[in-house]
Formats: sequence, structure tokens, C-alpha cells
Amino acid sequence: AQSVTQLDSHVSVSEGTPVLLRCNYSSSYSPSLFWYVQHPNKGLQLLLKYTSAATLVKGINGFEAEFKKSETSFHLTKPSAHMSDAAEYFCVVSLGGGYNKLIFGAGTRLAVHP
Amino acid sequence: ETGVTQTPRHLVMGMTNKKSLKCEQHLGHNAMYWYKQSAKKPLELMFVYSLEERVENNSVPSRFSPECPNSSHLFLHLHTLQPEDSALYLCASSQELQGNYEQYFGPGTRLTVT
Repeated sequence: AQSVTQLDSHVSVSEGTPVLLRCNYSSSYSPSLFWYVQHPNKGLQLLLKYTSAATLVKGINGFEAEFKKSETSFHLTKPSAHMSDAAEYFCVVSLGGGYNKLIFGAGTRLAVHP
Repeated sequence: ETGVTQTPRHLVMGMTNKKSLKCEQHLGHNAMYWYKQSAKKPLELMFVYSLEERVENNSVPSRFSPECPNSSHLFLHLHTLQPEDSALYLCASSQELQGNYEQYFGPGTRLTVT
């Protein structure tokens, strides 16, 4: 069965320092993986996706994630945090199939301090 | 965010009221989804429509009734709700069978049941 675990419910960083949001997945086959971001009172926005091409995936707003099959991880990183990055981030795995069913992690709330 | 729109953005209703949530996608997709997002809980998939047919109903109570009149529109009809139904209701769409798998979300309707 497919599942996704976000290892931290809250992460706090200072502006200008690196961001690391951790995600581990479980899948019986090569998965499609995503990171979504949700700002307060907004819907979810796709940050980036992995679909079995390059293992290092670049997304919007300077975020990137690396697919590591040996570690079953898909951690999200950004070299330098900005105040506008404060939001909730969701790691997501796709079940694929005839219609696209997504399994969401519980979310990581990122706080960015001046 | 403008690819998927939802109305109303906020809704307060009593337990005996009947109301409807509306979702419209402008992306030419052929699958649409309703999700429920409650505080401190992972995103819950409620319903999936693929090519205007309901293909999944995740044990949702009958007080929630979806309707998909065409591939661009999705409704969620609400009646005799309970206070625990208060949540953010998110609509999403995707294009099946192209291997892309990502879903595009609307901004959500914040529902409060009094």
C-alpha cells in the first residue's frame, strides 16, 4: 500500500537560512511524488513533481526536492528562506491508475522568522 | 489558482439549512474531486468524478451529495449538517490518462455549521 510520512509537523527557520522539510514514502512500485504548498486561507498550489525522470526536481520559488529510492525519501529544500515561504507544505504520493488518486501527508507548517 | 474557482468562499449555515458549494474548472480537465480539510487532520478525499461519472465515494455521509453535470462543473449539496462538518472544502481537477497525475486545486470554501 502507498503511504507518505512527513517527519516534522512544524519547522522554524530564520530568514535567509536553508529550509529542509522531510518526507518518506512507501510504495510497491515506482511512485509519482509531489510537494504542494498551502498559504493561509488559500487552496493547495503545486510546488514540484517527480515522475521517474530526473531524481533532482526543481520547482517554483527556488524549491527543489531529491528522489532517493534507496532511502524512500523525497525531502524538500530551499537554500535561503524568505518570509513569504511561511505556509503549510504537503508531501503527496500518487496511486496512478485510471483516475489519479493522491495520498497526502499530514503536512509540515513552516515558520520563517526575521 | 484561477484555473479552478469555488463559490462561495465562506459559508455559515445552521444544521437545518440546505446549501450548495460550486466548483468550476477552466483547464479542460476530465476528472474532478472534492476534499475535506479539517484542523489537525490529513486531507480527506470525499468524491471523485471521472468523465462525469462518480468513481469513488469514500464512505461519506449521505448529508453530502455531489453532482457533476458536465466536465467543467462540480457541486456539493449540503443538508442537515453537523457541527463536526465545519471545515475547508477543496475542489480539484486533473487530466486523466496522460501520466501527469497532478491535481489543481481551487481556493476552497470555508464552511461553518452552527
